[in-house]
Amino acid sequence: EAGVAQSPRYKIIEKRQSVAFWCNPISGHATLYWYQQILGQGPKLLIQFQNNGVVDDSQLPKDRFSAERLKGVDSTLKIQPAKLEDSAVYLCASSPAGRGDTQYFGPGTRLTVL
Amino acid sequence: GEDVEQSLFLSVREGDSSVINCTYTDSSSTYLYWYKQEPGAGLQLLTYIFSNMDMKQDQRLTVLLNKKDKHLSLRIADTQTGDSAIYFCAERAGSGGYNKLIFGAGTRLAVHP
Repeated sequence: EAGVAQSPRYKIIEKRQSVAFWCNPISGHATLYWYQQILGQGPKLLIQFQNNGVVDDSQLPKDRFSAERLKGVDSTLKIQPAKLEDSAVYLCASSPAGRGDTQYFGPGTRLTVL
Repeated sequence: GEDVEQSLFLSVREGDSSVINCTYTDSSSTYLYWYKQEPGAGLQLLTYIFSNMDMKQDQRLTVLLNKKDKHLSLRIADTQTGDSAIYFCAERAGSGGYNKLIFGAGTRLAVHP
């Protein structure tokens, strides 16, 4: 079974630029999560999708971050404009169904904002 | 509020046992998890325990849960150099149908010969 795929693996941008990350969850997984992991910290949930609907985006800085999951499969997370403090690893995870099932993580995208 | 705390570093000798500790705050947590993260990689689920259990063993891994003290530990027997990584404790928190994971900051385990 293929795992969660993410791209790109690394991205370096300057502040105020825009960036987008892509995630392809495990086939058949209804729930998709985006986490932000700042160096030295644990992952923090940004947004959670159930199929193509948002069930929790309380921690998403909506003035600059946006995410979508069209057709309930792949997802993109966008930052516009980026700030220095957005430097982090962005992890995507998926689980079979919504109710707190075991989450499986992708390798992450490491973003550096200069 | 929801919070998970872990010690930041642990150094052990190869072949010894490692014990990584974690405390959490949400008494309604139903599941508690241990994830492993190697350099440049995502999080790998190691094991989890349901809140009505106080111990779970899986090969070299033993999880102990003290629900009264909200304390969770992960014991790795016969620690190997390949066990060097960051270990994250996480609690399932929230209410309703869609829960989320709250992670600690991670414990960096260093295994030396």
